[in-house]
Amino acid sequence: KNEVEQSPQNLTAQEGEFITINCSYSVGISALHWLQQHPGGGIVSLFMLSSGKKKHGRLIATINIQEKHSSLHITASHPRDSAVYICAALPNNTDKLIFGTGTRLQVFP
Amino acid sequence: EAGVAQSPRYKIIEKRQSVAFWCNPISGHATLYWYQQILGQGPKLLIQFQNNGVVDDSQLPKDRFSAERLKGVDSTLKIQPAKLEDSAVYLCASSLGLLDGDTQYFGPGTRLTVL
Repeated sequence: KNEVEQSPQNLTAQEGEFITINCSYSVGISALHWLQQHPGGGIVSLFMLSSGKKKHGRLIATINIQEKHSSLHITASHPRDSAVYICAALPNNTDKLIFGTGTRLQVFP
Repeated sequence: EAGVAQSPRYKIIEKRQSVAFWCNPISGHATLYWYQQILGQGPKLLIQFQNNGVVDDSQLPKDRFSAERLKGVDSTLKIQPAKLEDSAVYLCASSLGLLDGDTQYFGPGTRLTVL
């Protein structure tokens, strides 16, 4: 069992839909990253959070440290949001990220 | 601020050939990471440098993979000889390296196909 689990693995949506991607982890962490990876392979860091909630544009990330769970929400989804979204946990006392396997999102017009 | 640069973006080679990837981190970033991402999986850390020293290379297949960061700035990752299972995206990332929670900034990756 992976230390970082994401669901769903694949997600399709119609433009405008509200999207939620979930991440659960089994280790104590100091922070959690949400990353976006486009088909070319490059990764962009969306959020790093250690508590509560962060918002950037149409993206919202939340984390519940007690429940070891984080969610990434996309409001008013758009085809350009189509990408793989990866959750990565930063365990306590280390700088080595543990990555989930990613959620492949496709948003259709 | 310029991001992490990697080259080439794509490379196709035959098995048993050699290949090298280059990474230039964000200026001033002390920590540099090389990751291997096989299709359908999350990235796997291959090697981590702090300045020009290796911090962690426990998952680097040292019989065929090597990496260096001689001047503590840019880095090269080499595979010699390549195997079919080395087909993957190779990601370079950098961080300031001052704190455990420093954000890692990723490069665009190099997609390697071994035929």
